[in-house]
Amino acid sequence: EVQLVQSGAEVKKPGESLKISCKGSGYSFSSNWIGWVRQMPGKGLEWMGTIYPGDSETRYSPSFQGQVTISADKSISTAYLQWSSLKASDSAMYYCARPGAPGWGQGTLVTVSS
Amino acid sequence: EIVMTQSPATLSVSPGERATLSCRASQSVSSNLAWYQQKPGQAPRLLIYGASTRATGIPARFSGSGSGTEFTLTISSLQSEDFAVYYCQQYNNWPYSFGQGTKLEIK
Repeated sequence: EVQLVQSGAEVKKPGESLKISCKGSGYSFSSNWIGWVRQMPGKGLEWMGTIYPGDSETRYSPSFQGQVTISADKSISTAYLQWSSLKASDSAMYYCARPGAPGWGQGTLVTVSS
Repeated sequence: EIVMTQSPATLSVSPGERATLSCRASQSVSSNLAWYQQKPGQAPRLLIYGASTRATGIPARFSGSGSGTEFTLTISSLQSEDFAVYYCQQYNNWPYSFGQGTKLEIK
């Protein structure tokens, strides 16, 4: 069974850094694209970016280019989403997911507030 | 970027009836189209991928059709647990994109 397990909820202040994680199991992590999806409160889904863990090729949606960094460690089957300087507008639920394939994480709620 | 447009925004249907949800792509996405169901407070759940292939464990009352730019999700006989928000998503061209969602509500 494909499983994606995300790290827990985070509460941060503006300007702080953050790195959240997503551990995959039940499939070949290195050989499948995995991405991150943002859902702001009461809003729809936005695909942020995706990475191929086998060679770390990474693609970002234009709205998120330069705003976040996506990475992966294939040795531990884990993908990451990180911010160097959080803003209040980054407050949202973040999901990891496999594009067009079974497997979504349970979501990580990020709250940024002073 | 490919824009995905779902219609209607809200669909009111009685339990036991059929629901038909539409998704249109601004350019061809071949059959690289997925449908998701999301209930309040839950992560989205994959229903259909490849435009018409049901994901594991998805009841047969859910079916997907279409290719190119026009796609349909049909729920043949609505059950109480089917009332939720449904999203389509193309994964043919980067950046991947979702539709804005259709809220399926009880009539």
